[in-house]
Amino acid sequence: KAGVTQTPRYLIKTRGQQVTLSCSPISGHRSVSWYQQTPGQGLQFLFEYFSETQRNKGNFPGRFSGRQFSNSRSEMNVSTLELGDSALYLCASSGGLASYEQYFGPGTRLTVT
Amino acid sequence: DQQVKQNSPSLSVQEGRISILNCDYTNSMFDYFLWYKKYPAEGPTFLISISSIKDKNEDGRFTVFLNKSAKHLSLHIVPSQPGDSAVYFCAASRGGSTLGRLYFGRGTQLTVWP
Repeated sequence: KAGVTQTPRYLIKTRGQQVTLSCSPISGHRSVSWYQQTPGQGLQFLFEYFSETQRNKGNFPGRFSGRQFSNSRSEMNVSTLELGDSALYLCASSGGLASYEQYFGPGTRLTVT
Repeated sequence: DQQVKQNSPSLSVQEGRISILNCDYTNSMFDYFLWYKKYPAEGPTFLISISSIKDKNEDGRFTVFLNKSAKHLSLHIVPSQPGDSAVYFCAASRGGSTLGRLYFGRGTQLTVWP
């Protein structure tokens, strides 16, 4: 089975721009979660989607948004980028309604200048 | 606030010996606990998990122990190998409707030397 894939792997954006990151979960997995990793804050939960619905949301501003498509692929969007948004963005998928084991993609390294 | 804590930022162990990584948590509502290994510039790799109804789970060289009364879990790696050198994250989930949200510790850098 192919693992979780994320595109792009690296991205450089300018402050004020917006960005869209993409995640394809493991085949058959219906839940996709997004995390932000920074040296100062560690791994922080952004949101989780299950069957195209946002099921959980972390404590991030409204500039961070996401969506999930009918094939379980997910995108996250960050608008009006700030320097502090520079981070590794990780997506994870899990299978089934009761599965708590999440499998991570390689991440997208976003640099905001 | 940090609900999952890994108080040792680093651990150094000789090859062949046991590595013990520790994790504490504060939220008694956590139902599931997981350990991940992470190399630089890669996503975390799932290692092993344990449900709160158990106190031990083994998978090959990896064993996780859970002490609910102390709100403490540990990961034992025996024997340790140089390829185990990585950052190890402890994570927890409350289950139920929040199953898809994991709370992570800050990680412990394990170095296994020959």
